[in-house]
Amino acid sequence: AQSVTQPDIHITVSEGASLELRCNYSYGATPYLFWYVQSPGQGLQLLLKYFSGDTLVQGIKGFEAEFKRSQSSFNLRKPSVHWSDAAEYFCAVGPDGDKIIFGKGTRLHILP
Amino acid sequence: GAVVSQHPSRVICKSGTSVKIECRSLDFQATTMFWYRQFPKKSLMLMATSNEGSKATYEQGVEKDKFLINHASLTLSTLTVTSAHPEDSSFYICSAREQGTSTQYFGPGTRLTVL
Repeated sequence: AQSVTQPDIHITVSEGASLELRCNYSYGATPYLFWYVQSPGQGLQLLLKYFSGDTLVQGIKGFEAEFKRSQSSFNLRKPSVHWSDAAEYFCAVGPDGDKIIFGKGTRLHILP
Repeated sequence: GAVVSQHPSRVICKSGTSVKIECRSLDFQATTMFWYRQFPKKSLMLMATSNEGSKATYEQGVEKDKFLINHASLTLSTLTVTSAHPEDSSFYICSAREQGTSTQYFGPGTRLTVL
């Protein structure tokens, strides 16, 4: 069965520190992979996506993610977080851009 | 660009009444729109996929007679929760995908509370 696992429900980092949010997936073929961010009162915003090609994907707001087929992972990283990065982050997987399966999300807290 | 709006943002209704939620793509034509439900501390659950001018495709376990979806134009889809009950209280989110692309753009969501 297809699934997405985000093992960390909450993550707390200090402002300026580096960040890595974990995402593992179970899928029969090479899927489309996405990271979305959800802030209160705002819709989910696409940070980045991977379909094929270079396994290191650059996204908006200084985020990047690396697709590792051998580990079935698509971890999200940022070298230096800002207080405005505090939000809920969702990893998602699908056969294309339509039937997307979302993980349960990771809530990011930023310490001043 | 790629803005999706939802209306209303919050709605409170009495049990047994029907509620309509609108989803609009403001600056692009959305041949496909999606409706999700998000439970507290849970991920988004896809309820249905709608293509402009055709019937919606519902996911397993979603009651099509309870959650009526209409996608009458390339910029508007509506979700009507019929005979709402307290268990229907949730956060409903729509998204839209432009023809020829693979990215969904999400609306801000609608908080439904059924008393």
